[in-house]
Amino acid sequence: EAQVTQNPRYLITVTGKKLTVTCSQNMNHEYMSWYRQDPGLGLRQIYYSMNVEVTDKGDVPEGYKVSRKEKRNFPLILESPSPNQTSLYFCASRDSNYGYTFGSGTRLTVV
Amino acid sequence: TQLLEQSPQFLSIQEGENLTVYCNSSSVFSSLQWYRQEPGEGPVLLVTVVTGGEVKKLKRLTFQFGDARKDSSLHITAAQPGDTGLYLCGSNTGNQFYFGTGTSLTVIP
Repeated sequence: EAQVTQNPRYLITVTGKKLTVTCSQNMNHEYMSWYRQDPGLGLRQIYYSMNVEVTDKGDVPEGYKVSRKEKRNFPLILESPSPNQTSLYFCASRDSNYGYTFGSGTRLTVV
Repeated sequence: TQLLEQSPQFLSIQEGENLTVYCNSSSVFSSLQWYRQEPGEGPVLLVTVVTGGEVKKLKRLTFQFGDARKDSSLHITAAQPGDTGLYLCGSNTGNQFYFGTGTSLTVIP
């Protein structure tokens, strides 16, 4: 089954404790992206990657890092999480001009 | 400033009613997509429209892309409770992909 898998689904952490949210796709898509979704603000792009070793900032990259060492994986790294990074995070991938396939989301709470 | 403005923001209707939601922009897009998102899940692609004036139908859902490719609408005929969800339009500008803030639809049985 074609899918984007992200883990974990739920995560509660403390301020400053580094964490990684994993994302993997099995569709051989070149383009992958991370979004955060907040009430009233919608989906905002954090980082995206056009291909292996090619990443670029979206609209809200501060406090986040990504890497794209392999085509299928695109982890999101929070080096020092803060409470304003409490949000619902989605990883997504797509092929050329076709639509996104989204993961099921990671609900992160930073206390 | 939102690149894509959606209206209405919230919509609550009775089962069987018709409705239209809108996605507007001042920019011209090469294509535009509509997604539906259910609580706790990721958005799911419904349709991609590419040509100005294009109309696509997906069962009771009709999607239209404006002639100038700056706006789009989604019309639902005889809404069902299963249509409940957040409807999002989205499009790319350069290498980035933007979403509107969505229309939250509730269909009451």
